[in-house]
Amino acid sequence: AQSVTQLGSHVSVSEGALVLLRCNYSSSVPPYLFWYVQYPNQGLQLLLKYTTGATLVKGINGFEAEFKKSETSFHLTKPSAHMSDAAEYFCAVSEAVGYNKLIFGAGTRLAVHP
Amino acid sequence: GAGVSQSPSNKVTEKGKDVELRCDPISGHTALYWYRQSLGQGLEFLIYFQGNSAPDKSGLPSDRFSAERTGGSVSTLTIQRTQQEDSAVYLCASSSFGTRTDTQYFGPGTRLTVL
Repeated sequence: AQSVTQLGSHVSVSEGALVLLRCNYSSSVPPYLFWYVQYPNQGLQLLLKYTTGATLVKGINGFEAEFKKSETSFHLTKPSAHMSDAAEYFCAVSEAVGYNKLIFGAGTRLAVHP
Repeated sequence: GAGVSQSPSNKVTEKGKDVELRCDPISGHTALYWYRQSLGQGLEFLIYFQGNSAPDKSGLPSDRFSAERTGGSVSTLTIQRTQQEDSAVYLCASSSFGTRTDTQYFGPGTRLTVL
């Protein structure tokens, strides 16, 4: 079965600093990987996804993630944090069934300080 | 365009009562999903619909939980005889076809509190 581990339930950065949110997965089949963001009292919004092809995936709001098969990782980065990036971030893997059943990590809450 | 909508946004009920949560997916999306988000369990898959059929109900926690979808559109999640452990945010998502690469679009959720 697929699973996702997000290291660090809370991450705090200064405005303008690098954001790095870690995600490791386990999968018995080629994984399809997703990062979602959740702002307070809102649903989840897709930041980016990896299915096939280029391993460096660019998403919205300046975020990107790199799929590294050898490390079973899909870390999310942003070169310069903005106050508006404060939110909870979820990494997910699509389970190996015929449809998109998402298995989510526990989430990482990002705080951005001035 | 219109996104996924859910109603009510908040629901407070007493233990033992039945509740119905509604989801209106994006028009034309054939796949619909329900998830539950709670402090202790994180984000959990509940059920998947393709059209009006539910080929995967494996995430429903107990037989008190049921869901239906009508007209390939609106879905209702029903919880009978609610318990305090049912308190959570219930999220609905829809996607175009339901393939593994599809993007799921989430609604804002219904926050259920069972007293």
